[in-house]
Amino acid sequence: AQSVTQPDIHITVSEGASLELRCNYSYGATPYLFWYVQSPGQGLQLLLKYFSGDTLVQGIKGFEAEFKRSQSSFNLRKPSVHWSDAAEYFCAVGGDTGRRALTFGSGTRLQVQP
Amino acid sequence: NAGVTQTPKFRILKIGQSMTLQCAQDMNHNYMYWYRQDPGMGLKLIYYSVGAGITDKGEVPNGYNVSRSTTEDFPLRLELAAPSQTSVYFCASSYRSSGGVGEKLFFGSGTQLSVL
Repeated sequence: AQSVTQPDIHITVSEGASLELRCNYSYGATPYLFWYVQSPGQGLQLLLKYFSGDTLVQGIKGFEAEFKRSQSSFNLRKPSVHWSDAAEYFCAVGGDTGRRALTFGSGTRLQVQP
Repeated sequence: NAGVTQTPKFRILKIGQSMTLQCAQDMNHNYMYWYRQDPGMGLKLIYYSVGAGITDKGEVPNGYNVSRSTTEDFPLRLELAAPSQTSVYFCASSYRSSGGVGEKLFFGSGTQLSVL
């Protein structure tokens, strides 16, 4: 069975500081991996996705994520956080053709201090 | 560009009442999904549909029902509401399977439901 773990429930960073949000997955084959962001009062929006190829993927809003098969990880990074990045971030895994929907992690809430 | 539209945005129910959460998409997507979001629990799949007339259960279907009579609409029905159904509900859609082929999901803005 596929699963996703986001070990950090809540993270606070200062504006301008770098950010790394952790995501670990469990999946037998090569997974499809995603990061979605949920701004307050909004639905989720896709930040980036990994299917195959280059293990470093670029997304919207200056975010990137790196797929590390050996560590079963897909961590999200941003070199300089802006106050508008405050939101909840969800990692998700797919790729099993027998499953119709993604499996989401429990989310990490990001707070940005001025 | 309406995308995925959910109504209502907020609702308070009494225990035992019933209601329908509405979801409509205008992107001609085949797949539609209902998720619930509980604090610290992420998103759990309630029901999904792969096309008009076809629905299937997700991880947490108990206490809910769905129908898909048209491509555009995918209402979620709560019968005999219980406090455990207090949650934020999201409807989403995709052109192909999000889980199988990794198609991008488009989400509505959610319905916050309280059962008291």
